[in-house]
Amino acid sequence: LAKTTQPISMDSYEGQEVNITCSHNNIATNDYITWYQQFPSQGPRFIIQGYKTKVTNEVASLFIPADRKSSTLSLPRVSLSDTAVYYCLVGDSLNTGGFKTIFGAGTRLFVKA
Amino acid sequence: DTGVSQDPRHKITKRGQNVTFRCDPISEHNRLYWYRQTLGQGPEFLTYFQNEAQLEKSRLLSDRFSAERPKGSFSTLEIQRTEQGDSAMYLCASSLGDRNTDTQYFGPGTRLTVL
Repeated sequence: LAKTTQPISMDSYEGQEVNITCSHNNIATNDYITWYQQFPSQGPRFIIQGYKTKVTNEVASLFIPADRKSSTLSLPRVSLSDTAVYYCLVGDSLNTGGFKTIFGAGTRLFVKA
Repeated sequence: DTGVSQDPRHKITKRGQNVTFRCDPISEHNRLYWYRQTLGQGPEFLTYFQNEAQLEKSRLLSDRFSAERPKGSFSTLEIQRTEQGDSAMYLCASSLGDRNTDTQYFGPGTRLTVL
């Protein structure tokens, strides 16, 4: 199983760029890297997904080096509403074709005014 | 797109009672997942359906837990003889089912409190 390691918590200020790095040394060849955001008392929300190099959408960027053993979620100009838990996941394809998604404890980002 | 819905949002029960939760996935999604989440932890995988077939069950899913997805649409998760340790948020997610990417869309969860 591809396990991920990410910082337990991070603090930032409004308007700053936040980078959260996740380690996944045992990532398999076919695995994608996915990041989710979760607010209290809500289900996780998909942010971004990538396989290699860089992916950007309207919310974030995801940087993946060539060896794919880590990835960095970049949140540009965070606001107070970005305070949440961020999970890095590596898809563990089941033999059945589905995903036994392994969530770690996530990174608690706290954005201050 | 109405998203994934779960019912009820909150459930309080006494130890030993049975409870049942319902999940309605996004209509065109063929995969459905159940997770359990306790305070301060990430969601823990419980079980997974491809259409109506239950293809994977976690060891966390004791004999008191059963899940169904008749006709490959909505799903139910039943917990029999609830224990205080079952108190948690139960999350449902659905996906289109691409083998490698499988982006999951989560519902709001059902918070269970066992007294």
